[in-house]
Amino acid sequence: QSVLTQPPSASGTPGQRVTISCSGSSSNIGGNTVSWFQHLPGMAPKLLIFHNSQRPSGVPDRFSGSKSGTSASLAISGLQSEDEGNYYCAMWDDRLNGPNWVFGGGTKLTVL
Amino acid sequence: VQLQQSGPEQVKASQTLSLTCAISGDSVSSNDAAWNWIRQSPSRGLEWLGRTYYTSDWHNDYALSVKGRIIIKADTSKNHVSLHLSSVTPDDTAVYYCGRDQYYHSSDNRFDPWGQGTLVTVSS
Repeated sequence: QSVLTQPPSASGTPGQRVTISCSGSSSNIGGNTVSWFQHLPGMAPKLLIFHNSQRPSGVPDRFSGSKSGTSASLAISGLQSEDEGNYYCAMWDDRLNGPNWVFGGGTKLTVL
Repeated sequence: VQLQQSGPEQVKASQTLSLTCAISGDSVSSNDAAWNWIRQSPSRGLEWLGRTYYTSDWHNDYALSVKGRIIIKADTSKNHVSLHLSSVTPDDTAVYYCGRDQYYHSSDNRFDPWGQGTLVTVSS
């Protein structure tokens, strides 16, 4: 079990806004920045958000991230069918169990 | 920047799993990048394995779960990074990815891009 907890599934209809949560503790999320990755079937994972809320160039502004205390969230507005896939939160942690990237368990997003 | 992975997809138990990640558009010895290996399996989810980076000398960090069995090496002449995981068991069956962690030394680090992934199956 990951120290970052995500809901296993989420869903929405086209055009809706969906939010995916990532919860941790003061010893992990509370002290580190969070990234979000999109993993579509048959593709390599793709960075959507870094440093809690920053979007790399090329990522649509439909995707937004936030962090508050020991939780982080990814919001997807204007949901599209091509958004269907798995989403992971992650952080770099060099305090617990040595330096390492820690990933959430992932959330499978279904576009109804 | 693109990362292209190569290596055998079938490995026998007790042998060494070896994969290569060829880098284009960046340098393996960049002072701003750490080169990582991650794997994904149904039982473990996404699991970070380790990284190598260059700052005056080469440095490595490895996950405790594979420490002692893993070596990640950079080859500057070929601009690639390799993964070697020894004494594999069927539990090491997974999709293996390489990835760049740019600005790894700051809070603005960004893990991008990833390689295309290689499904490695370990047979007993």
